[in-house]
Order: sequence, then structure tokens, then C-alpha cells
Amino acid sequence: AQSVTQLDSHVSVSEGTPVLLRCNYSSSYSPSLFWYVQHPNKGLQLLLKYTSAATLVKGINGFEAEFKKSETSFHLTKPSAHMSDAAEYFCVVSDHGSSNTGKLIFGQGTTLQVKP
Amino acid sequence: SAVISQKPSRDICQRGTSLTIQCQVDSQVTMMFWYRQQPGQSLTLIATANQGSEATYESGFVIDKFPISRPNLTFSTLTVSNMSPEDSSIYLCSVEDDLAGRSYNEQFFGPGTRLTVL
Repeated sequence: AQSVTQLDSHVSVSEGTPVLLRCNYSSSYSPSLFWYVQHPNKGLQLLLKYTSAATLVKGINGFEAEFKKSETSFHLTKPSAHMSDAAEYFCVVSDHGSSNTGKLIFGQGTTLQVKP
Repeated sequence: SAVISQKPSRDICQRGTSLTIQCQVDSQVTMMFWYRQQPGQSLTLIATANQGSEATYESGFVIDKFPISRPNLTFSTLTVSNMSPEDSSIYLCSVEDDLAGRSYNEQFFGPGTRLTVL
């Protein structure tokens, strides 16, 4: 069965420094992988997605993620954090080509704190 | 991308009562999903709702507690029945991006309904 593990429940960075949010996945089939962001009292927004095309995926707001099959990882990065990046981030896996097609499995989330 | 609205945005309810949450999409979609996000937790899928068929529930969720309707391709409701304080959560609906093709399973989420049960 597919699963997602976000390795850090809380990450704190200073404004202007790089961001790294770590995610490992487990999937029996070729997965689709996503990063969603949830700002306080707001809905979920898709940051980026990997769908078996380029392994380096660029998303909105300067975020990107690299799919590494050998490491079963899909870490989210940003070169320079902004105060507005403070939010909850979810790594998500979906299997297609299996009976679970259409289901998203969410990681436990990583809270990103950005200090001035 | 699809635009999704939910009603109500929040509610405070008494235990033992029921609340029906509405989800409206601005375009026709095949699959709609309902999720629960308990306080400080991640999202858990409750059920998948396809138009014209019974909803498919995930392990731990049953139709008697969370009945779902899907009368057409743009609308769905989720009812939380016989509520207890443990049902206090954010309930979100989502739709799959049909334009991208089902193989990618990308979903767009509504703003959520914040439910507090006293």
C-alpha cells in the first residue's frame, strides 16, 4: 500500500535563507506526487506535482521539488524563504494504474515557521 | 482549475444533532471526494462520490454516520449524523481535475467547513 512520510513535523528558517521540507514515499506502482500548502484558516493550494515527466518539478512561489526514485524521496525546496511562506505543507501521493486510482494519501504535514 | 465552494464555512452544533455540508463546483466533474481534517492533523479521506452511484467509503467511515449525496456532476453533500465532540473537524470536499486526465489524480479543494460540536 502507498504511504507518505514527512520527516519533519516542524521546520524553522530565517527569512531569506533556503527551505528544505523532506518527504519519502512508498508506492507499489508508478506514483504521482504532490505538494500542497495550507495557510491558516485557508484552503489547500497545489504547489506542484510530479507526474512521471521531468524529475525536477517547478511550482508556484519559487518552490521546486525533485523526484528521486532510488531514494523514494520528493523533497520540497525554495532558495530564499519569505515571511508569507509560513504555513502547513503536505506531501501527497496518488497511485494510478492500481485499484487505488483517484485516492490521495496525505503525509502528516510540516509546519514551516519563517523568522524575520 | 475548478472553483469549489462549500456551505456553511463554519458551524457550532450540539451533540446528537446532524449537519449537512454542501459542495458546489463551477464545472462538471466525474469524481468528488470528502476529507476530514481533525485539529492539528492531516487530511483523511472519508469517501469518494461519483454521480449516479453509491459513495465508496474508506475504512473507519460508514454510510450511517456520513451519508453522502451526489445528485449531479457539480454538487455533493456530506451529512455528519448524530454528532459528538469527536466529530469536531474541518471537512473538505475536492474534485479531480478531469481536464488533466485521470492518470494524474490532481485534486482541487474547497475552502472547508469548520465544525465544532459541543
